[in-house]
Amino acid sequence: AQSVAQPEDQVKVAEGNPLTVKCTYSVSGNPYLFWYVQYPNRGLQFLLKYITGDNLVKGSYGFEAEFNKSQTSFHLKKPSALVSDSALYFCAVRDYGQNFVFGPGTRLSVLP
Amino acid sequence: AAGVIQSPRHLIKEKRETATLKCYPIPRHDTVYWYQQGPGQDPQFLISFYEKMQSDKGSIPDRFSAQQFSDYHSELNMSSLELGDSALYFCASSSQGSTNEKLFFGSGTQLSVL
Repeated sequence: AQSVAQPEDQVKVAEGNPLTVKCTYSVSGNPYLFWYVQYPNRGLQFLLKYITGDNLVKGSYGFEAEFNKSQTSFHLKKPSALVSDSALYFCAVRDYGQNFVFGPGTRLSVLP
Repeated sequence: AAGVIQSPRHLIKEKRETATLKCYPIPRHDTVYWYQQGPGQDPQFLISFYEKMQSDKGSIPDRFSAQQFSDYHSELNMSSLELGDSALYFCASSSQGSTNEKLFFGSGTQLSVL
């Protein structure tokens, strides 16, 4: 069975500092990994995905994520956080042909 | 570009009433997923359809039913509503047959059961 863990309920960083939102996964086959962001009163928005290839994936709004197979992790990163990045971030995983499974979400707060 | 359309955006019902939520996927998408997100909770998968057939079933209560129509839009029917059904209901669509598929989400329907 697939599962996703986001060990931190909340992450706080100062504006301009680098940020990391952690995600680990469990999947039987090759993982397809995704990050979605939810701004207040908005639907989930796609940020980036890893299917195959380069372990460092670049996505929207300056975010990137690093796939680490040995650690079964897919941490979301950004070199310099903005206050507008404050939102709820969901990591998701799926096997081919299977349903998406979302992590519990991590609330990112970027402080001015 | 066209996105996933959900209607209504907001819905207020009373206990034991029924509700119908609609989802219009992105054109040429053949798969629709329904998710429920309670206050402060992560999205929970309810049910999915591929080519008008149910493809997967998650934690959908027996009081709920759903279907996908010939034009690929989907409707989630909810009966005997309970207070605990108050949540944001997301629909997402994708195109099967590609390992590169990703979900495109609608803005959700906020259901409040009073």
